[in-house]
Amino acid sequence: EVQVVESGGDLVQPGGSLRLSCVASGFTFSSYWMSWVRQAPGKGLEWVANIKQDGSEKYYVDSVKGRFTISRDNAKNSLYLQMNSLRAEDTAVYYCARGGPSGGDCYHDYWGQGTLVTVSS
Amino acid sequence: DIQMTQSPSSLSASVGDRVTISCRASQDISKYLAWFQQKPGKAPKSLIYAASSLQSGVPSKFSGSGSGTDFTLTISSLQPEDFATYYCQQYETYPLTFGGGTKVEIK
Repeated sequence: EVQVVESGGDLVQPGGSLRLSCVASGFTFSSYWMSWVRQAPGKGLEWVANIKQDGSEKYYVDSVKGRFTISRDNAKNSLYLQMNSLRAEDTAVYYCARGGPSGGDCYHDYWGQGTLVTVSS
Repeated sequence: DIQMTQSPSSLSASVGDRVTISCRASQDISKYLAWFQQKPGKAPKSLIYAASSLQSGVPSKFSGSGSGTDFTLTISSLQPEDFATYYCQQYETYPLTFGGGTKVEIK
């Protein structure tokens, strides 16, 4: 059974940092692109970033470029999101989602339960 | 960026109704379109990919159609478990973008 489980969400002050983690199981993690998608309270879905199987390609939504860094450790079946210079508008549930076997197939077929990041003083 | 516009933003329907949700892309995305269902407090669930391919395990009452800029999700006979919010997502171009969602409520 495919599973992805996020952790690391917390309450953090504006300007602070946080690192989210996602552990995958039930599939060959190193064969898939992986994404982070977020959802602000009461709002819709927003793709944040994704990363190629070997980490050689990474893409970000403009609003997080230069502040967030996506990475992965295939030996640990893990995906990460390092979030720096956090702003109130980054408050959201962050989901880890499986992409496809190629960069052109990021249709996100499996999602974790999400982890809540709250940015507030 | 490619804008994804869903309509309607909400609808009321009865059990047994046929429901159609539209998604329009601001430019040609071929068939790089996915649909998701999300229930309150839960993660999104994949329904459709490549505009019309049903995800494994998803009931055949869900179907998708379209290509280019205009797409449709159809639920053939609405059941109580189908009341949820539905999102489309394009994956033809970065940044990947979602529609604003369509909330399907009980009439």
